[in-house]
Amino acid sequence: GQSLEQPSEVTAVEGAIVQINCTYQTSGFYGLSWYQQHDGGAPTFLSYNGLDGLEETGRFSSFLSRSDSYGYLLLQELQMKDSASYFCAVTGFQKLVFGTGTRLLVSP
Amino acid sequence: SQTIHQWPATLVQPVGSPLSLECTVEGTSNPNLYWYRQAAGRGLQLLFYSVGIGQISSEVPQNLSASRPQDRQFILSSKKLLLSDSGFYLCAWSISTGVDEQYFGPGTRLTVT
Repeated sequence: GQSLEQPSEVTAVEGAIVQINCTYQTSGFYGLSWYQQHDGGAPTFLSYNGLDGLEETGRFSSFLSRSDSYGYLLLQELQMKDSASYFCAVTGFQKLVFGTGTRLLVSP
Repeated sequence: SQTIHQWPATLVQPVGSPLSLECTVEGTSNPNLYWYRQAAGRGLQLLFYSVGIGQISSEVPQNLSASRPQDRQFILSSKKLLLSDSGFYLCAWSISTGVDEQYFGPGTRLTVT
């Protein structure tokens, strides 16, 4: 089977840096993805790590350590619009398995 | 560019009634297609996925079924809805070799009463 663990909620202030961790247990692992979902909306793809290391996309970075079955999403220069739920997802054969999500609350 | 459509946007149905949700994708060929359900404040549960016409893989045994009658059409159905079927239903697609990057439709919010 596959399972992913994320913190349920993280709070931060505008301009700060926040890290959302994801640990996973899975068979057949191809990579780790991150998605953002605003309340009432659909998830949108943020990043993918197929290899160990850091991937940077603007203010967002994602990291993967296969040996530790661990990854994280790093959000820098937080803005109010970053308040949303963030999901990690493990890529398996032909499908994704999503974590339970982390709700990020950004305050002024 | 690619577009994914889902309808209806919201639906209120009584227990025991049938269900049909439709999803279509434009601007791509031979996509992988996915149906997810999301309960309020929860994660995404994969229900079905399809890698080709007529090919359906079921992830969770339940009273739902899926069909893919055309390359870019994916349908979620039920003969008799249960209260527990309430939720936010999301259709998604990916290229056949890029499972990790999925593109989601706007979703259907289903309330079973």
